[in-house]
Amino acid sequence: AQSVTQPDIHITVSEGASLELRCNYSYGATPYLFWYVQSPGQGLQLLLKYFSGDTLVQGIKGFEAEFKRSQSSFNLRKPSVHWSDAAEYFCAVGGDRDDKIIFGKGTRLHILP
Amino acid sequence: GAVVSQHPSRVICKSGTSVKIECRSLDFQATTMFWYRQFPKQSLMLMATSNEGSKATYEQGVEKDKFLINHASLTLSTLTVTSAHPEDSSFYICSARGPGQETQYFGPGTRLLVL
Repeated sequence: AQSVTQPDIHITVSEGASLELRCNYSYGATPYLFWYVQSPGQGLQLLLKYFSGDTLVQGIKGFEAEFKRSQSSFNLRKPSVHWSDAAEYFCAVGGDRDDKIIFGKGTRLHILP
Repeated sequence: GAVVSQHPSRVICKSGTSVKIECRSLDFQATTMFWYRQFPKQSLMLMATSNEGSKATYEQGVEKDKFLINHASLTLSTLTVTSAHPEDSSFYICSARGPGQETQYFGPGTRLLVL
């Protein structure tokens, strides 16, 4: 069965510091992987996605993620966070284009000034 | 491109009434639309998947008679919460995917409060 685990419910980092949000997935075939961001009371915005090819994917707002098949991971990184990055981040996994996607429980990012 | 809108953004209704939420793809044809429900500080839970012109496929535990989904055109899907009760209060988010697209594009969500 598909599942996504985001082990950190909350993460707090100082502005300007680097960030890594963890995501592990379980899927029987090659997964489609996504990271979404949600600001309070808002919908979801796609940060980046992995379908195939280069395992290091670049996204919007300076985010990147690396697909590691051996570890079933798709961790999100940013070298230097900004106060505006404070939000909820969701990792998601899906199959082929006709498959639904499953979301992790999210990680709330707090930024210290 | 790939903009999805929802209307209304917020609705308050009395217990026992029905509420309709619209989801529109503004600049692409959405052959598939998804409806999610999100409780406070929780993840998104998929309620149902609808393909244009077909009956929606509901996830286990979701009452199809309570959450009516219509996907009558390639740009519009509606979710009707029938005989709403306070426990139906939640944040409802739709997403849409066009032909050949692997990515779902999300609407801004609708916050429903049932008094």
